[in-house]
Amino acid sequence: GNSVTQMEGPVTLSEEAFLTINCTYTATGYPSLFWYVQYPGEGLQLLLKATKADDKGSNKGFEATYRKETTSFHLEKGSVQVSDSAVYFCALSSAGYSTLTFGKGTMLLVSP
Amino acid sequence: DGGITQSPKYLFRKEGQNVTLSCEQNLNHDAMYWYRQDPGQGLRLIYYSQIVNDFQKGDIAEGYSVSREKKESFPLTVTSAQKNPTAFYLCASSMKWSGNTEAFFGQGTRLTVV
Repeated sequence: GNSVTQMEGPVTLSEEAFLTINCTYTATGYPSLFWYVQYPGEGLQLLLKATKADDKGSNKGFEATYRKETTSFHLEKGSVQVSDSAVYFCALSSAGYSTLTFGKGTMLLVSP
Repeated sequence: DGGITQSPKYLFRKEGQNVTLSCEQNLNHDAMYWYRQDPGQGLRLIYYSQIVNDFQKGDIAEGYSVSREKKESFPLTVTSAQKNPTAFYLCASSMKWSGNTEAFFGQGTRLTVV
């Protein structure tokens, strides 16, 4: 079956530091890949997505590239802000299905 | 404003009680979902519905039931058969049943057994 593995947190950074959150997946065929963000006490919001190999999703300074050869979709941001503190979830959906398989989430804490 | 509304935000259940969590969307989406979130475990799929009057079990459906009588509504009942119901419940919807479609989430309901 499908599975998503992402690095455990919390990840603690100072403002303006570089961020990487690793995500690898197992799936048959060609899944779509997503990063969702959850702020405290709230639901999830889509941050970015990629639907085929070598696609790069980007939004709000965050980027992730769909790497089929390494089955990875690592999240990066060049300069984090305090407001980026949240829990980040990597997720996938199989081709033809819209149900999501999530990783366990990575908490990011950014200090001034 | 279009979106997904979950209610209540907090819910307390006594042992042996059934409780129903509400989820309403005004996005005109066909597909709706219920996920359960536990600390450190990510989100797990409980039930999903591709279309009105149809729904399927997800990975952890035991102890839960749903209905989809209207396109905009997908209530979840947590029955007394659910052994460990304390969790954060998230409802979501997507425009269509397709792998590359964005899911929109509600604000969640936090259920606590007392």
